[in-house]
Amino acid sequence: AQTVTQSQPEMSVQEAETVTLSCTYDTSESDYYLFWYKQPPSRQMILVIRQEAYKQQNATENRFSVNFQKAAKSFSLKISDSQLGDAAMYFCAYRSAYNNNDMRFGAGTRLTVKP
Amino acid sequence: EAQVTQNPRYLITVTGKKLTVTCSQNMNHEYMSWYRQDPGLGLRQIYYSMNVEVTDKGDVPEGYKVSRKEKRNFPLILESPSPNQTSLYFCASSFLRWQGQKFSRSPLHFGNGTRLTVT
Repeated sequence: AQTVTQSQPEMSVQEAETVTLSCTYDTSESDYYLFWYKQPPSRQMILVIRQEAYKQQNATENRFSVNFQKAAKSFSLKISDSQLGDAAMYFCAYRSAYNNNDMRFGAGTRLTVKP
Repeated sequence: EAQVTQNPRYLITVTGKKLTVTCSQNMNHEYMSWYRQDPGLGLRQIYYSMNVEVTDKGDVPEGYKVSRKEKRNFPLILESPSPNQTSLYFCASSFLRWQGQKFSRSPLHFGNGTRLTVT
């Protein structure tokens, strides 16, 4: 079964600085999707960014970008110009392209932004 | 506004007292799913449904039931709650579309969560 590992339970960053959250996954599949979700104190799960495995170009959404290394099975999230509103729990997730129900989440990384 | 609505937002109950957490989506999504979130474990799937009257177990289904009588609703039922079911619960939904030779699912759209405490 696929597994997703987030090795950093907690991270902190100074406002306006850049931070990178790590995520690795284990799979034998060649086609899949990767996601980063943000969970602020309101508990809402918000999709931040998604990456399709067959696309080599790294996805970007404004200040959020990913470093997708397929061979290394790594999918890190970079947040540039960090803002106070970025403080949240961040979850990395993997979804199989062959089984629409197979979606795995990491344990999460709690990001603190210091003013 | 497109949304997944869960109720209640908070629930405190006692062991053995049956409860239902409701979930409704207004996006005409085929796929719906329930997750529980626990510290250090991330989100784990309880049950899912591909369409009306089609449900199946996820990774942690023990102690839970679901039904999908209508496309928009997917309630989670705890017949006899126990303290180990204390958790944060999320309902989620997404589209299913036939693309080429397989179904493809859009990213999950989550509800706001239900914090359940069983004493």
